[in-house]
Amino acid sequence: QVQLQEWGPGLLKPSETLSLTCDVSGVSFSGYYWTWVRQPPGKGLEWIGEINYRGTSNYNPSLKSRVNMSVDTSKNQVSLTLRSVTAADTAFYYCARVLRSLFGFDPWGQGILVTVSS
Amino acid sequence: QAGLTQPPSVSGNLRQTATLTCTGNSNNVANHGAAWLQQHQGHPPKLLSYSNNNRPPGISERFSASRSGNTASLIISGLQPEDEADYYCSGWDTSLSAWVFGGGTKLTVL
Repeated sequence: QVQLQEWGPGLLKPSETLSLTCDVSGVSFSGYYWTWVRQPPGKGLEWIGEINYRGTSNYNPSLKSRVNMSVDTSKNQVSLTLRSVTAADTAFYYCARVLRSLFGFDPWGQGILVTVSS
Repeated sequence: QAGLTQPPSVSGNLRQTATLTCTGNSNNVANHGAAWLQQHQGHPPKLLSYSNNNRPPGISERFSASRSGNTASLIISGLQPEDEADYYCSGWDTSLSAWVFGGGTKLTVL
C-alpha cells in the first residue's frame, strides 16, 4: 500500500532553515501531486504547498516567500525547505498524497515534530 | 489566509447521530465541495470522505457527507466512543489557488 515517511532534524534555532524529506513507497510517484501540511501542537492544520514529479509547485501565499519544495524522482522523495524559521514554525509536519480529482489528501505520513527554540 | 469555518466543538450521545458542518464560499466549497478528515490525538489525519461525498476504501458506512451551497456536512451515525476525535474539512480555493482547511471540530461522544 502507499506509505509516506517524513524525516529530518527535529530541533532548529531561530533564523535557521528547516529541511525535511518525505519518502514515498507503494505507488507510482509520477502520477500525483505531493503536499506538505503542518500543525502546531494543539492547533489546526495549515497547508504549506504541493509539488508534482515535474517540479510544478503551488505554495501557500502566506509562506511563499520562505518555502521551496523539490522532488527526486529517482528516490521517490519530496523535500521541503522553510527559511528563516521562528518559534511560530514549531509544528508537526506531514506529507501526503494529493488526489486532485477528488480534492482530498490520502494517505498521510506519520508526521515529524520540528521545534524551533534558542 | 481565509479558510473554511467549522464549529470548535460538537457533542452527541452514544449510538445517536452527529452532524458537523463546514462553511466556505463560492470559491471553494460551493465550487468543489469539501473533503473530511478525522484525527485522533497523537495520530496523523485520516481521510474519511472525498469532496464528491464518497468514502475511501475501508471507511465505515457510518460516515457520510453532503453539501448544500457553501456548506458541507459530515454526518456520523451510530456514534461510538472511538469516534471522539478532531474533524477537519478541506478544499481547493480557486481565488487563492491554494488548499484551505477548516479550523477543526472536536467531537465528544456522551
